[in-house]
This record gives sequence, C-alpha cells and structure tokens, in this order.
Amino acid sequence: EVQLVESGGGLVQPGGSLRLSCAASGFTFSDHAMHWVRQAPGTGLEYVSSISDNGGSTYYANSVKGRFTISRDNSKNTLYLQMGSLRAEDMAVYYCVRRFNAYDYWGQGTLVAVSS
Amino acid sequence: EIVLTQSPGTLSLSPGERATLSCRASQSVSSSYLAWYQQKPGQAPRLLIYGASSRATGIPDRFSGSGSGTDFTLTISRLEPEDFAVYYCQQHSNSFTFGPGTKVDIK
Repeated sequence: EVQLVESGGGLVQPGGSLRLSCAASGFTFSDHAMHWVRQAPGTGLEYVSSISDNGGSTYYANSVKGRFTISRDNSKNTLYLQMGSLRAEDMAVYYCVRRFNAYDYWGQGTLVAVSS
Repeated sequence: EIVLTQSPGTLSLSPGERATLSCRASQSVSSSYLAWYQQKPGQAPRLLIYGASSRATGIPDRFSGSGSGTDFTLTISRLEPEDFAVYYCQQHSNSFTFGPGTKVDIK
C-alpha cells in the first residue's frame, strides 16, 4: 500500500525557517518524481515545488522561488522541503504528492502556520 | 501560465441527479495532462480522472471525464451521498495549475 506521511509542520514567526519531510513507502520511491502542493485555509490548491526521480532536476512556483528548496534522499525514501523567509501567505497545509498519471497519491498534509 | 476556470462555483443537487462540472483553460491543454480531483472536508484530494477521460484506480464508473483543447467536463452520472465534495481540475502540460474548484452540495 502506497503511503506518504508528512511531518515537520508547526508554528513559525515571519522570516523564520522550517523543514518538512515526507516519508514514502509501498512503492519504489526512486522511480517517481515527487511534488509539494499547498492549500491555504479555505482556499484552493497551489503547486509549490517538484523534483525529478533522481533529484537532478528541481522546479519551483514563482511565489516560493529563492526561499524554498526541495530535495530527496532515495536511500531513505524521503522527500524534503526546506522553507525559509516565511511569510504570512505561506501559511497552509502542505501535501507531499507522487506524480504518476497526474497526482495519484497524496499524503495527509502537514500544517504550517506563520504568525508572530 | 495556463489559467483554469471552473464553473459553476457551487452546484446544488439531490442524490441520484446528474452533475456536470466544467473546466476551461486559458490556452490549449493536451488531453494527456488534464486531471480531476475530489476533496472532502479535512481530507487530502483524491485523483478521479487523468488524461482527461481515464478513471484512476478504484474510481466508480459513475465518474467520467471528457473534453479537449480548452474545454473539459467532469460528469457524475448519479450522485451518491459520498459524492458531495469539492472538485478541482488540474493541468500539468505547462507547469502545474489547478482550477478554483466546484463545490457540489446537497440541495
């Protein structure tokens, strides 16, 4: 059974940093591109970042470029999102997503709250 | 950036009725890269349709997708109580963008 379990969310002050992790199981992690998608409270879905299966290519939404860094450790079956210079508008539930025939598996999400 | 517009914003229907949801793109999207998701309160989205018309694993056949170019449709042939939710379309042909969603609620 495919499972994606995010962790690392929490309350952080504006300008602060946070690292999200996503532990994957039930599939060959190194065969799949992985994405982060976020959802601000009461709003829709927004693509954040993605990484190729071997980690060699990374992509970012303009809204997070230069502040967030996506990475992966295929030996640990884990995806990461290092978030810096956090702003109020970054507050959201962050989902780890597997890309195969669109976004076929989603984690349960981890909440990032940005407030002083 | 390709912008997706969904209509209507809210669809109020009764169980057993047919639901027709629209997704329109600001420029042409390859059908291979148009997907639909369902999201219930407090849950992660779930993939329903990929490639504009292919049902994801485990999705009942009352869900169907169609369309091409800039106009796509998700149809739920007969609404079941568990189908009342928010539905999002997504294109992943040119970067990745989602529509704002259509809420299907109980009339």
